[in-house]
Amino acid sequence: AQKVTQAQTEISVVEKEDVTLDCVYETRDTTYYLFWYKQPPSGELVFLIRRNSFDEQNEISGRYSWNFQKSTSSFNFTITASQVVDSAVYFCALQQSNDYKLSFGAGTTVTVRA
Amino acid sequence: SQTIHQWPATLVQPVGSPLSLECTVEGTSNPNLYWYRQAAGRGLQLLFYSVGIGQISSEVPQNLSASRPQDRQFILSSKKLLLSDSGFYLCAWRERQYTEAFFGQGTRLTVV
Repeated sequence: AQKVTQAQTEISVVEKEDVTLDCVYETRDTTYYLFWYKQPPSGELVFLIRRNSFDEQNEISGRYSWNFQKSTSSFNFTITASQVVDSAVYFCALQQSNDYKLSFGAGTTVTVRA
Repeated sequence: SQTIHQWPATLVQPVGSPLSLECTVEGTSNPNLYWYRQAAGRGLQLLFYSVGIGQISSEVPQNLSASRPQDRQFILSSKKLLLSDSGFYLCAWRERQYTEAFFGQGTRLTVV
């Protein structure tokens, strides 16, 4: 069975602070895929990143960065110098190689205060 | 480019009434299609997915059903809604099994 845990329910920061969102996953597969999505107040989920299990390189995209650690089964997401527009619910998701299902964590609500 | 359309955006239905939510995808063929539900303040629950016309996999046995009458059309239905069916319903598509999923704008269903 596959499982995604986002232990942080809500995070509140002041603008320009960094915020790190934790994602821990469980899978028996050696090949799998991890994703992060952003859900702004409008409701539509926006794709942020996809990473396969064989690529442990960390990635940076503007103010966003991701830290993939297979040894701890974690795929954490950091927003640097947060802005009010970053306020949203962020979801981590897992796809196993022998499956069509994309399983999501419970999400972390990020509130950035001006 | 590919686009996904989901309607209606909001819906208020009485208990016991039927439901039909429709989702269509443009600009691709044979997509993998998904229906998710998000209860208030909760995560996304996978309800159904389909990898081809007429093929439906159900994740949660309940009073909902799904159909895929055409390649790029995915319909979520219920014969009799329950209060517990209230939530935010999201349709999504993927080009292949391991690619990213793209979501529609969602339908906010309130059963009263």
